[in-house]
Amino acid sequence: DTEVTQTPKHLVMGMTNKKSLKCEQHMGHRAMYWYKQKAKKPPELMFVYSYEKLSINESVPSRFSPECPNSSLLNLHLHALQPEDSALYLCASSLDGGFQPQHFGDGTRLSIL
Amino acid sequence: AQTVTQSQPEMSVQEAETVTLSCTYDTSESNYYLFWYKQPPSRQMILVIRQEAYKQQNATENRFSVNFQKAAKSFSLKISDSQLGDTAMYFCALTGWSTSYGKLTFGQGTILTVHP
Repeated sequence: DTEVTQTPKHLVMGMTNKKSLKCEQHMGHRAMYWYKQKAKKPPELMFVYSYEKLSINESVPSRFSPECPNSSLLNLHLHALQPEDSALYLCASSLDGGFQPQHFGDGTRLSIL
Repeated sequence: AQTVTQSQPEMSVQEAETVTLSCTYDTSESNYYLFWYKQPPSRQMILVIRQEAYKQQNATENRFSVNFQKAAKSFSLKISDSQLGDTAMYFCALTGWSTSYGKLTFGQGTILTVHP
């Protein structure tokens, strides 16, 4: 069973739409991550939240807006996306953002029309 | 800067046989962790095995084991008694002591296909 839950599993949206991706974990982890992954490529880090504060933003365009309402929940708000943003978006969490391994969700497959 | 290199884009193996996936890395960190993650077609990245650089003993998890050669900066994954469910993309990854928030450096991945 997946301990990191992502919804929705699939999302198709137009370039003018606004949508959100959701990630939830109940393992007591205090670090949460968003990744973007293209087919047959490694994940690319987008954002890291540590203790509910944004700690890393890998120069992601502002059309992606992360939010961490509490220690168990991570959102990624999407607005005015481009076709090249079509990808698998993975959420992960780790105990405290140090050496502990990251646990990944199943991802959201995003398609931009 | 850290780098991870997986030189085998694709590999295949017959069911029940043994296969080894290669990974080399470079880091200036004195302490670091190495990981192998598996990503089957179902998409979820699953941790296969973890190795701390300070530990000389190679990590083992059931049919999965690593050959960690610190001086050579090599971290290969051996899968014994391969099963159809091992078909996946495998990523080698590294994080260092001073790396912020456990940020992972991934290799480009190796697609492994297990044939019946």
